[in-house]
Amino acid sequence: DTGVSQNPRHKITKRGQNVTFRCDPISEHNRLYWYRQTLGQGPEFLTYFQNEAQLEKSRLLSDRFSAERPKGSFSTLEIQRTEQGDSAMYLCASSFYLSLAGGRTYNEQFFGPGTRLTVL
Amino acid sequence: DAKTTQPTSMDCAEGRAANLPCNHSTISGNEYVYWYRQIHSQGPQYIIHGLKNNETNEMASLIITEDRKSSTLILPHATLRDTAVYYCIVRVFRNSGNTPLVFGKGTRLSVIA
Repeated sequence: DTGVSQNPRHKITKRGQNVTFRCDPISEHNRLYWYRQTLGQGPEFLTYFQNEAQLEKSRLLSDRFSAERPKGSFSTLEIQRTEQGDSAMYLCASSFYLSLAGGRTYNEQFFGPGTRLTVL
Repeated sequence: DAKTTQPTSMDCAEGRAANLPCNHSTISGNEYVYWYRQIHSQGPQYIIHGLKNNETNEMASLIITEDRKSSTLILPHATLRDTAVYYCIVRVFRNSGNTPLVFGKGTRLSVIA
């Protein structure tokens, strides 16, 4: 399967524990996005990377959240000292962006299946 | 990015066309209309996008009004597998390329046998 993969698919943790999620994007995609989705709502943007550089972070990404993409391939999202309000689906997406002289080439975002986090 | 308004839910008979409306009355000239859908327990899936002209691909057609203040996504022959939440998103392309998507609550489409 050459789509976006996320692990684990489900995570149950106790309040105060740290959790880490992993996202493996489509191999040739240089952009990687993290979103969060709570029940009944659409996904909300958290942060995105181009290669290993983190280019944008939303206000939703509190100090307890940290994302990395050390080699420009897979990415991890860590939540420290989890709270019950962190319970959500965490979605990863990837896309390809290329800046050419006189133009740009980019594809749409392809999403993974998500990691469902439950904080007890 | 401009705000969009969609009905909360819609039903469609299997085999019939599903027409999903979206209002985006504050859309700017450089903003595109995008549609994604999310089937239960899956990540969102890109469907189609357009700027001014009507667009068609293997999944759907997108009809944008001349004043660009509203649009309609058409699934020509809905199947049970098209049951999903459909999101209409208005989005500007920056010079830096793809921007993060801003999702609303979408329309929950139920295709009925």
